[in-house]
Amino acid sequence: QSALTQPPSASGSPGQSVTISCTGTSSDVGGFDYVSWYQHHPGKAPKVLIYEVTERPSGVPDRFSGSKSGNTASLTVSGLQADDEADYYCSSYAGSNPVIFGGGTKLTVL
Amino acid sequence: QVKLEESGGGLVNPGGSLRLSCAASGFAFSDYYISWIRLAPGRGLEWLSYVTTSGTYTNYADSVRGRFTISRDNDKSLVFLQMSSLRVEDTAVYYCARDRRPGRYFDFWGLGTPVTVSS
Repeated sequence: QSALTQPPSASGSPGQSVTISCTGTSSDVGGFDYVSWYQHHPGKAPKVLIYEVTERPSGVPDRFSGSKSGNTASLTVSGLQADDEADYYCSSYAGSNPVIFGGGTKLTVL
Repeated sequence: QVKLEESGGGLVNPGGSLRLSCAASGFAFSDYYISWIRLAPGRGLEWLSYVTTSGTYTNYADSVRGRFTISRDNDKSLVFLQMSSLRVEDTAVYYCARDRRPGRYFDFWGLGTPVTVSS
């Protein structure tokens, strides 16, 4: 099973919005509503931001939102803050291979 | 609070073995699946294996099936990953994470333990 496709980098200025895409196939992203997004500051534990495409765990600001259309899922970060600078990974359930991840997107806050 | 702490990483020769441990606290350990996930340099995250609540069932990624074995001790709130026939490409930071169903997501992670496979 191939990894999900994410852009290697994204950027935005404080206060702006940025959207990160995650493209898979009908066997993973398009076939199940089990897409998750994770934020990872190097050296720290990864943190779940979104699960089941659009759900936010308690404590995650509503500046983070998820969506899906066909085989592509998206994470939107609104009102960018300096601390949002991190690596972001999507993941999806993929049937026989339980979970696959994207290659990661490095978000830079300009 | 929920805490997961990995240990056991280090430097090992190709073909060697290593046993990672994951110590859990702050939640009803035996009620949750646990997964191992790794992050290799210059590559994305890769799910490796999960173990069910009782430890009866396990599953593995194709890249490690037959070489890695996951197990758990619910009495001690520990999960293990026995790694053998290690390859250079297994070099990564290894994380344990609480595995949520049916959503198939990981809601708590440890800080990771680094594994380097090199001669």
